[in-house]
Amino acid sequence: ILNVEQSPQSLHVQEGDSTNFTCSFPSSNFYALHWYRWETAKSPEALFVMTLNGDEKKKGRISATLNTKEGYSYLYIKGSQPEDSATYLCAPYYGNNRLAFGKGNQVVVIP
Amino acid sequence: DTEVTQTPKHLVMGMTNKKSLKCEQHMGHRAMYWYKQKAKKPPELMFVYSYEKLSINESVPSRFSPECPNSSLLNLHLHALQPEDSALYLCASSQGPAQETQYFGPGTRLLVL
Repeated sequence: ILNVEQSPQSLHVQEGDSTNFTCSFPSSNFYALHWYRWETAKSPEALFVMTLNGDEKKKGRISATLNTKEGYSYLYIKGSQPEDSATYLCAPYYGNNRLAFGKGNQVVVIP
Repeated sequence: DTEVTQTPKHLVMGMTNKKSLKCEQHMGHRAMYWYKQKAKKPPELMFVYSYEKLSINESVPSRFSPECPNSSLLNLHLHALQPEDSALYLCASSQGPAQETQYFGPGTRLLVL
């Protein structure tokens, strides 16, 4: 069983503030890292797939970085809006046809 | 069309019932997945179909029986479930292996009484 840790588990952010959270994962045999956003009562939505050390990806106000050598990824939300309220799941992939999901970072943006 | 649909949205069943969950995608994806998700826990992989053949069974009890009738459709047949099987069941698909983006359905919320 792979140890994928996401911290903090939950956070409350004031509207307009920026925030970030972490996904830590074993770096051995690493292939790729997925980030998903999961809003309540909706389908998990793919945000990013990253593979290379130093990768940075951006989608609107959300961006992510990847460090494959030390096994972590940061997700940043700039100028949080209420619609950013969701659980953000990270899932590394190790070449065995299965994603290893973390428990998620639950974000609540307070208007 | 990047949509994965799942029916039903909610299901309540007794321990002696037989029911089926359905999942459909029309993106031409060749890999399809069933996950089980319980509150405050990450999605837990159950089965993977690749090119309509079962490629991964994560030691799931036989009371769960997957079926892939064609490349667009994935079923999960349920029989003699236990209350602890109550969970959200998510279906996903991807173009190729799991390293590629998976597209998820909204899930079926199952309650076993």
